[in-house]
Amino acid sequence: GNSVTQMEGPVTLSEEAFLTINCTYTATGYPSLFWYVQYPGEGLQLLLKATKADDKGSNKGFEATYRKETTSFHLEKGSVQVSDSAVYFCALYAGGTSYGKLTFGQGTILTVHP
Amino acid sequence: DTAVSQTPKYLVTQMGNDKSIKCEQNLGHDTMYWYKQDSKKFLKIMFSYNNKELIINETVPNRFSPKSPDKAHLNLHINSLELGDSAVYFCASSQQAGGPYEQYFGPGTRLTVT
Repeated sequence: GNSVTQMEGPVTLSEEAFLTINCTYTATGYPSLFWYVQYPGEGLQLLLKATKADDKGSNKGFEATYRKETTSFHLEKGSVQVSDSAVYFCALYAGGTSYGKLTFGQGTILTVHP
Repeated sequence: DTAVSQTPKYLVTQMGNDKSIKCEQNLGHDTMYWYKQDSKKFLKIMFSYNNKELIINETVPNRFSPKSPDKAHLNLHINSLELGDSAVYFCASSQQAGGPYEQYFGPGTRLTVT
């Protein structure tokens, strides 16, 4: 079956530090990959996505590249801010008869200190 | 304007009771979803409807029954509530089901069963 594995959290960083959150996946075929972010007390919102190998998704200074050879979609940001504190979810859409179903990783809690 | 809204935001009830959560989207989307997020932030899909038709029905106790009166609304009714049902329930919608479309999440309903 399809699955997504994210690095264990929580991750605690100082403001302006470099961020990497690792994400690897298992899927048949050619899935689309997503990063969603959940700010405290809110629902999830799409951060970025990539729909084919070597695509780079980017938004708000975050980026991730779809690497089929390593089945990975690691999230990076060069300089984090306190406002980036949130839970980050990697997810995949397998296509075919998935009917929109997203398979999520377990989430990584990020806390950024001033 | 709220794109995906849920009511109530908080729900505290006793074991054995029956409760409902309502969801509405004003985005004109065809597809709506229910997700359950447990205390460790793990997110799992429960149901999905496309134009009022059930298309995803994951392994969920049959005490949970979704209903879609029209494509803008998806409600979740839970019978005979159990302690293990305590979680945050998210409603989401997407333009269509058959593709890597962005899913828009509601703010969540925190259900506490005592």
